[in-house]
Parts: sequence; structure tokens; C-alpha cells
Amino acid sequence: NAGVTQTPKFQVLKTGQSMTLQCAQDMNHNSMYWYRQDPGMGLRLIYYSASEGTTDKGEVPNGYNVSRLNKREFSLRLESAAPSQTSVYFCASIGRQGYSNQPQHFGDGTRLSIL
Amino acid sequence: TQLLEQSPQFLSIQEGENLTVYCNSSSVFSSLQWYRQEPGEGPVLLVTVVTGGEVKKLKRLTFQFGDARKDSSLHITAAQPGDTGLYLCAGALSSGTYKYIFGTGTRLKVLA
Repeated sequence: NAGVTQTPKFQVLKTGQSMTLQCAQDMNHNSMYWYRQDPGMGLRLIYYSASEGTTDKGEVPNGYNVSRLNKREFSLRLESAAPSQTSVYFCASIGRQGYSNQPQHFGDGTRLSIL
Repeated sequence: TQLLEQSPQFLSIQEGENLTVYCNSSSVFSSLQWYRQEPGEGPVLLVTVVTGGEVKKLKRLTFQFGDARKDSSLHITAAQPGDTGLYLCAGALSSGTYKYIFGTGTRLKVLA
């Protein structure tokens, strides 16, 4: 029962390096999300994809890009990493479009440190 | 801009005590969810409340949605060490939205 799978689990980058965080779900969900979690801040939405082929900005999109590769996969890219992007990144998915009472299913996170 | 404030931010109590966590906003939500997160894992849904004034119970946990749908509370009766974790509320601003606003979180530690 995989659910939402994120890779890698841990990563250390130097300032200015680029990388892509991968997320895949096997629940045939329509909507997918990328959040970052920082101490005392809860989770903040970076980008989301309501359905395959669409992406939209969340609260904190600056410095990030996303790709909804297909229905299963939603990747997050840091083009030029900055220390302020040190965080734990979570991917989530929801099954039914437009139903706000549906549960979000989360992956276990990617812990990213930017030196 | 953080629209959902949770209080308290930290809570350390003895096993058997009761506690209440609050989630407050000036915005109206079409629904509000509560999640629990354990170290090294993603949040897991506990409950969703949709109707103003709604009360839901999950064993020793009682969730309430405010009448005006701007606030919510989580009450735990006779807390146990297994209740330890980070509790997060998340609100949906409209019924057709795909976006959720998360609260700042309450870190609970229950001591045996």
C-alpha cells in the first residue's frame, strides 16, 4: 500500500545548485500538492495541480517550479537553491475534484538542507 | 499571511489529563480538517467537520466546528502517551476549492 511516494527522503545541496523533488501517487487521485513545513509555520502551500495538465501557485511559489508529468506524478524543482529553502517538503494528493471535505494523503516528506 | 492560528503552540501534560487545542481565524471556511503528524511522517487525517456547530467524536477525541465556521477545537479526554504528536488544523476557503490553509500547529507531549 504505497499511497504517496516521495524521493529522495534526504538531500543536502549547496547554494545555487538545482534539484528536482519527485512525487508519485498510486491512488488514481486527480489533485496533487506541494507544501513546505518550517518550525512554527505549519504547512504552507507552494504549488498545486487541480488535475492533470494544470498547475497553480500557492502561498509561497517564489523560487520553485512544478511539472504535472501525468496523473500519477507531480515534481517540484528548485532552479537555484537558497538557504531560505531549507525545509521539509511534503507532497499530497486528493481523490475527488472540488470536494473540500476529502482527506489529503501525504507522503513522508523530503528533508532538504541548503548550505 | 497565516489565516489560521492554533493555540497553544506547545503543550506538555501528564497521562490522564484533559486538554483542548484551538484553531482560530477571521475567515469563514467551508470545511475544516484536523491532522496528526508523527516525527518523520506526513500528516494523517483525523476528522473533517463541515457544518457550523458540528461536533464529532473519535474515541477520546472530540472535535467541534464553530457556529460561524471560523474556528474549531480539539478536546482530548484522559490523554495517553500515544496521543503525542503535532496536531494541525486545515481549512478550505470554499467548497469548490482545491486549496487548503494549514494552521501553525500544536505540539503535544503526553508524559507517562
